[in-house]
Amino acid sequence: AQKVTQAQTEISVVEKEDVTLDCVYETRDTTYYLFWYKQPPSGELVFLIRRNSFDEQNEISGRYSWNFQKSTSSFNFTITASQVVDSAVYFCALLTGGGNKLTFGTGTQLKVEL
Amino acid sequence: GAVVSQHPSWVICKSGTSVKIECRSLDFQATTMFWYRQFPKQSLMLMATSNEGSKATYEQGVEKDKFLINHASLTLSTLTVTSAHPEDSSFYICSANDRAPYEQYFGPGTRLTVT
Repeated sequence: AQKVTQAQTEISVVEKEDVTLDCVYETRDTTYYLFWYKQPPSGELVFLIRRNSFDEQNEISGRYSWNFQKSTSSFNFTITASQVVDSAVYFCALLTGGGNKLTFGTGTQLKVEL
Repeated sequence: GAVVSQHPSWVICKSGTSVKIECRSLDFQATTMFWYRQFPKQSLMLMATSNEGSKATYEQGVEKDKFLINHASLTLSTLTVTSAHPEDSSFYICSANDRAPYEQYFGPGTRLTVT
C-alpha cells in the first residue's frame, strides 16, 4: 500500500525566514512519482513540482527547492525567504507507476506573518 | 494548456435535494477523470475514478448510489449528490488525465453546503 506522511500539521514563520516542509512516503514500487501542491485559501490546487523515482536530482525554482532522497524515502520542500503570499496548505502526493491514483499526505498549513 | 473547469464553484442546497457538479477538460481529451472530496482542514480523499463510456470505480466506503458519476464524453464528467444531507457538505474537486497517468490536472473545486 502507498502512504504519504506529512508530520508537520502547521508551521508559522516570520516573513523572510526559510522554511522546510517534510514529506515521507512509502511504496514497494520501484517506479513512482512524487508531487507537491499548494492550496491557497481559495481552494484551488496549484501544481508545484513532479519528480519521478529515477531522478534524484534536487531542483530549485526561484525561492523553492526540493530535496529528494530515496535512501530515506523523503521529498522535502524548502521555501527560501518566505513571503506572506506563501501562506497556504501544502500537500505532498505519491503516484505509483502501475496506477493512476494519487495518494495525498495530510497537508501542512504554512502561515507566514509579517 | 491543460485546463480543467468545474461548475458551479459553489452551491447551497436543501437537505433531501440532489445537486449536480460538472467537470470539464477545456483543451484536452481526458481519458480518465477523478473525483475527490475534502472536508475542512483535511486532505483530499479520492471518491471515484471514471473512464469515458464506462462505469465509475468507487473507492471503498463511497456510496455509489448516493454519488452518481457519469463520464459521457472525453471532456465532461458529472458528479450528482443525490438526496444530499448536511454531512455531504464538503469541497469537491475533480481532476483529469491527459495522456500520461502522472499528468493529472485539477479543477478549481466546488464548495457544497447542504442546509
